[in-house]
Amino acid sequence: ETGVTQTPRHLVMGMTNKKSLKCEQHLGHNAMYWYKQSAKKPLELMFVYNFKEQTENNSVPSRFSPECPNSSHLFLHLHTLQPEDSALYLCASSPPFNSGGGGTGGFVYGYTFGSGTRLTVV
Amino acid sequence: AQSVTQLDSQVPVFEEAPVELRCNYSSSVSVYLFWYVQYPNQGLQLLLKYLSGSTLVKGINGFEAEFNKSQTSFHLRKPSVHISDTAEYFCAVSDAERLVFGKGTKLTVNP
Repeated sequence: ETGVTQTPRHLVMGMTNKKSLKCEQHLGHNAMYWYKQSAKKPLELMFVYNFKEQTENNSVPSRFSPECPNSSHLFLHLHTLQPEDSALYLCASSPPFNSGGGGTGGFVYGYTFGSGTRLTVV
Repeated sequence: AQSVTQLDSQVPVFEEAPVELRCNYSSSVSVYLFWYVQYPNQGLQLLLKYLSGSTLVKGINGFEAEFNKSQTSFHLRKPSVHISDTAEYFCAVSDAERLVFGKGTKLTVNP
């Protein structure tokens, strides 16, 4: 157990379904991230939240909708997905990086990742 | 923008042999460098990181990495591997604004 908990661990959904992925951390971190890990591709950063505010959206299709109600919880709402969206979705958290400039702590101090949700779209 | 190249997609070794996983990066600014490990059916775990100071960085599980600025490399080494080191290893580089991961190297330790 790393301190970042993701549920469910596995999810199979049809293209017309709506589902949500949940991520929870109690490490006192203020930044949270969603990553997508597909076979034979580098990890893709999807969203970044810093102190509950979305600071980055890497041109992610609108069928993925993140929500961060507080610094400890992060959700990824899914609807009308495509088979190519099948992947391992990883949540991560990091402490803040108070440099006076941009960026979050994860880019300097490293992330704590959850175990991921293996998503299969059928 | 920075980029990361992990030169080997797969590295098979025998137990108790030394191993080196290679990582090269490109960046126009000072960087922070990381190695993460991903065991089967798990998320990524931070192995070690270079922020500044000594170029030889020691991490968990007996791994170490050396930052070589002139060769823009950050190779990961372990003098004697165990079966339990079988995993995928990711090198990552950051300029404090963005973090870029390599494609990963699958290390398989055989008995």
